[in-house]
Amino acid sequence: AAGVIQSPRHLIKEKRETATLKCYPIPRHDTVYWYQQGPGQDPQFLISFYEKMQSDKGSIPDRFSAQQFSDYHSELNMSSLELGDSALYFCASSPRTVRTGRAYEQYFGPGTRLTVT
Amino acid sequence: SQQGEEDPQALSIQEGENATMNCSYKTSINNLQWYRQNSGRGLVHLILIRSNEREKHSGRLRVTLDTSKKSSSLLITASRAADTASYFCATDWGGTYKYIFGTGTRLKVLA
Repeated sequence: AAGVIQSPRHLIKEKRETATLKCYPIPRHDTVYWYQQGPGQDPQFLISFYEKMQSDKGSIPDRFSAQQFSDYHSELNMSSLELGDSALYFCASSPRTVRTGRAYEQYFGPGTRLTVT
Repeated sequence: SQQGEEDPQALSIQEGENATMNCSYKTSINNLQWYRQNSGRGLVHLILIRSNEREKHSGRLRVTLDTSKKSSSLLITASRAADTASYFCATDWGGTYKYIFGTGTRLKVLA
């Protein structure tokens, strides 16, 4: 079965550079989430999108922005990178049944390991 | 402060024993999910339990939810070395689609 695809899997950047992470959700999933997980930390919710609109926002720095495109893939853009941005960045997708309010599982991608030097 | 807090933070047991992990949260929720993560790898979804459910089973996993105490537990029966991983609970924040993860329990199953 198709899973969530993230690219690149590994990324090394220098301080003050920019980075773009990509996420391709499972087909027919219209909701995408981004999480940041620092070393030894729990995943921290950054932002989510539903039907190409921002849905909820978490602890996403102002230096970061994200969007969801018409094909439902999402990109996380990170500018003015800092050493503290080094982390695993996970994307997750889920179907969303707004009218019924059904709960749903999030399916996580393998993550992008960003190292800022 | 964290929405979800788990205890214990670390647990070491022998193969064949049962492992119980607990999760507490602060706001009202629609559902709570448990995930497993092997070191440095992606998160694998284990079980989703809705706020109107009290217990759910999946294979060797048993999850309970007590909304009056804002807590959940994950029981792994007859543990195996392959169960060694970190286990996280995640809750929707006050019924939104913003999910908050707990601090995780690092489980080590000794062969």
